[in-house]
Amino acid sequence: EAGVAQSPRYKIIEKRQSVAFWCNPISGHATLYWYQQILGQGPKLLIQFQNNGVVDDSQLPKDRFSAERLKGVDSTLKIQPAKLEDSAVYLCASSLFGSAGSEETQYFGPGTRLLVL
Amino acid sequence: DAKTTQPPSMDCAEGRAANLPCNHSTISGNEYVYWYRQIHSQGPQYIIHGLKNNETNEMASLIITEDRKSSTLILPHATLRDTAVYYCIVRVYNNNDMRFGAGTRLTVKP
Repeated sequence: EAGVAQSPRYKIIEKRQSVAFWCNPISGHATLYWYQQILGQGPKLLIQFQNNGVVDDSQLPKDRFSAERLKGVDSTLKIQPAKLEDSAVYLCASSLFGSAGSEETQYFGPGTRLLVL
Repeated sequence: DAKTTQPPSMDCAEGRAANLPCNHSTISGNEYVYWYRQIHSQGPQYIIHGLKNNETNEMASLIITEDRKSSTLILPHATLRDTAVYYCIVRVYNNNDMRFGAGTRLTVKP
């Protein structure tokens, strides 16, 4: 079974530029998550999709971050404009159903490492 | 905020058991304890989870105290490849928000 795919693996941009990350979840997984992991910290959830609908985006900085999952499969996360503090690893994860209270496991991709100069 | 407390780092000799503790004193009755690990430059990898009973799989064992306020992840025969950051996470019942803390950096030494 193929895992969660992410691209690019690395990205270097200057502040105020825009950047986009792509994620392809495990086939058949209804729920997709984007996490931000700053160096030395654990991952922090940014947004959760159930199929193509947003379940939770309470921790997404909406003034500069946006995400979409138009067909309920692939997803893109965009930052515009980027700030120095956005330097982090952006992780995508997926789970089969994502039902509240279930024992579901989240499977993570390798992440995209972003450096903002 | 994360609801778990873990030591920041631990060492273990190769071939010996690694016992990683986690305190979760405010856990509620329907919350699960999950363990993930993250090897350098990779995404977190699921290890094991439990609610009340002890659990074992091909990777590890999870021992949860009777009052559920703490747990221990056991890697029975640690190898150099087990060097990673280990996260203990309490799963919030009403949603899928996995609240990661800083984790324990386990170093397995030859």
